[in-house]
Amino acid sequence: AQSVTQLDSQVPVFEEAPVELRCNYSSSVSVYLFWYVQYPNQGLQLLLKYLSGSTLVKGINGFEAEFNKSQTSFHLRKPSVHISDTAEYFCAVSDQSEGSSGSARQLTFGSGTQLTVLP
Amino acid sequence: GAVVSQHPSRVICKSGTSVKIECRSLDFQATTMFWYRQFPKQSLMLMATSNEGSKATYEQGVEKDKFLINHASLTLSTLTVTSAHPEDSSFYICSARTRANYGYTFGSGTRLTVV
Repeated sequence: AQSVTQLDSQVPVFEEAPVELRCNYSSSVSVYLFWYVQYPNQGLQLLLKYLSGSTLVKGINGFEAEFNKSQTSFHLRKPSVHISDTAEYFCAVSDQSEGSSGSARQLTFGSGTQLTVLP
Repeated sequence: GAVVSQHPSRVICKSGTSVKIECRSLDFQATTMFWYRQFPKQSLMLMATSNEGSKATYEQGVEKDKFLINHASLTLSTLTVTSAHPEDSSFYICSARTRANYGYTFGSGTRLTVV
């Protein structure tokens, strides 16, 4: 089983400032890692994912994240935020194996971080 | 890219009635569909996982007779909330996965309000 911890429930930041949203995970097996963004009353949109290869992953809207296996972290960063980045951000993990029946493994989500960009 | 269409986006129903939520994968075949529930200011809680043509697997504490899931085809999955009560009011989100591409595509969610 996996677990995901997002330590910061709310992160206020001024427009054009850099931001880091923290995510730590726990798992006994190798995992895939994801960051999703959710705007009010909408579903989740994938920002980026780490499957393998380079530990620095670039996503949409200028976001990037770095996978650190030794620290079991996958922090999300953006060098300069915009008002439109205000949203809820979720970190998620999935183990790398398929289910015994070939079905997909479920995603385990963190509790979310509300990013509020202030003018 | 992959799109999952979820309907309705909002529904208000009377206590005791049933509500059906549909999720359609528009340009890919969803071999697996996940159904989540989200309370305000909280994370997504997995309710059940369904594979096309098979019975859904429900998470502990989720009543399978209350939350009926049907995944009869590779492009359509439905969640029916039977005999809804005010405590069932929540935001329900589906997520589809195809084995061809390791990714999860989410629907836009359904805000259910039971009065």
